[in-house]
Amino acid sequence: QKEVEQNSGPLSVPEGAIASLNCTYSDRGSQSFFWYRQYSGKSPELIMSIYSNGDKEDGRFTAQLNKASQYVSLLIRDSQPSDSATYLCAVNNDRGSTLGRLYFGRGTQLTVWP
Amino acid sequence: DGGITQSPKYLFRKEGQNVTLSCEQNLNHDAMYWYRQDPGQGLRLIYYSQIVNDFQKGDIAEGYSVSREKKESFPLTVTSAQKNPTAFYLCASSMQGYQPQHFGDGTRLSIL
Repeated sequence: QKEVEQNSGPLSVPEGAIASLNCTYSDRGSQSFFWYRQYSGKSPELIMSIYSNGDKEDGRFTAQLNKASQYVSLLIRDSQPSDSATYLCAVNNDRGSTLGRLYFGRGTQLTVWP
Repeated sequence: DGGITQSPKYLFRKEGQNVTLSCEQNLNHDAMYWYRQDPGQGLRLIYYSQIVNDFQKGDIAEGYSVSREKKESFPLTVTSAQKNPTAFYLCASSMQGYQPQHFGDGTRLSIL
């Protein structure tokens, strides 16, 4: 059973703060890792992809991956009320027949208050 | 504009009726996926297809059927055997391998 766990939330931070979202996964064969943002009533939108250990920065977003600890995180700097959404962690394994299939966490709801 | 088009946006099903949700993509993606999302829940995989004329069951395939006759299209039929079909249905596509999936806008299905 491949599991992707996210901190349960909800997470509430003030505007301008750093929001930290965490995700752990059970399958050591996982090769690629994604963060999606989902606004209420909308479909998920890809915001970050990370494939190797370390940090990857894109604007106010930083994804961090540690394969040894089976841990991936998303930091949102200078959080804005428009960042209020549910953030989904997704993990891709390396099994031939299921290559490409993503395993999703249940999501962490983030609220940024003014 | 390249993207994934799902239709209709809202759909109502009568008891004993089969309904078909459409998903079309013009991204030239090889793989396509169907997910179900219930309120406050994560995404659950129904079916996926990595190549034309081939598809695999996901975690909750019972009561659903799919076809993949064209690379661009991956329709999902919700059959009368699916007793609790009310949910938000999401179609996604990706290139093969370790590439991310991109989602359509979804279809909301309700029972009349």
